[in-house]
Amino acid sequence: EAQVTQNPRYLITVTGKKLTVTCSQNMNHEYMSWYRQDPGLGLRQIYYSMNVEVTDKGDVPEGYKVSRKEKRNFPLILESPSPNQTSLYFCASSLSYSREVFFGQGTRLTVV
Amino acid sequence: GIQVEQSPPDLILQEGANSTLRCNFSDSVNNLQWFHQNPWGQLINLFYIPSGTKQNGRLSATTVATERYSLLYISSSQTTDSGVYFCAVGTPGGSEKLVFGKGTKLTVNP
Repeated sequence: EAQVTQNPRYLITVTGKKLTVTCSQNMNHEYMSWYRQDPGLGLRQIYYSMNVEVTDKGDVPEGYKVSRKEKRNFPLILESPSPNQTSLYFCASSLSYSREVFFGQGTRLTVV
Repeated sequence: GIQVEQSPPDLILQEGANSTLRCNFSDSVNNLQWFHQNPWGQLINLFYIPSGTKQNGRLSATTVATERYSLLYISSSQTTDSGVYFCAVGTPGGSEKLVFGKGTKLTVNP
């Protein structure tokens, strides 16, 4: 089944404790991205990747890192999480940025 | 950057009713998609429709790119249609991202 898989689905962590949210797609898509969704602010792009080893900042990259060592994986790294990073996170992939987008199930992160 | 406005912001229907959701955008687009976010938070792609008309069961969508709007039609609504519907657009020669509208929250009552 074609899908985008994120893990974990839910995570509660403490301020400053490094964490990684994994994202994997099995559709051989070149384009992958991360979004966060917050009440009143909608969906905002954090980082995107046009292909392996090519990543760039979205609208709200501060406090996040990404890497794209393999085509299928695009992990989101929070080196030192803070409470303002409490949010619902989505990974997405598509053949290219102008094509149909598929989202992962979402990761609900709480930083206390 | 491009602006995306969705209307109405909220919509309450009785099961079986029909509805039309609208998405207006402020510039030319080469990419327009409709998504449904269900009450559990999952985002499902409904249509990839930068122009023209598509239908999928009780749902259909039309994009008139020259007039900068898109419509999502839901016929014979069911309680499972509840959730938030997002329109998202991308622009030719613009940044490599989708710009999302704020969504229409649909509630279908039994």
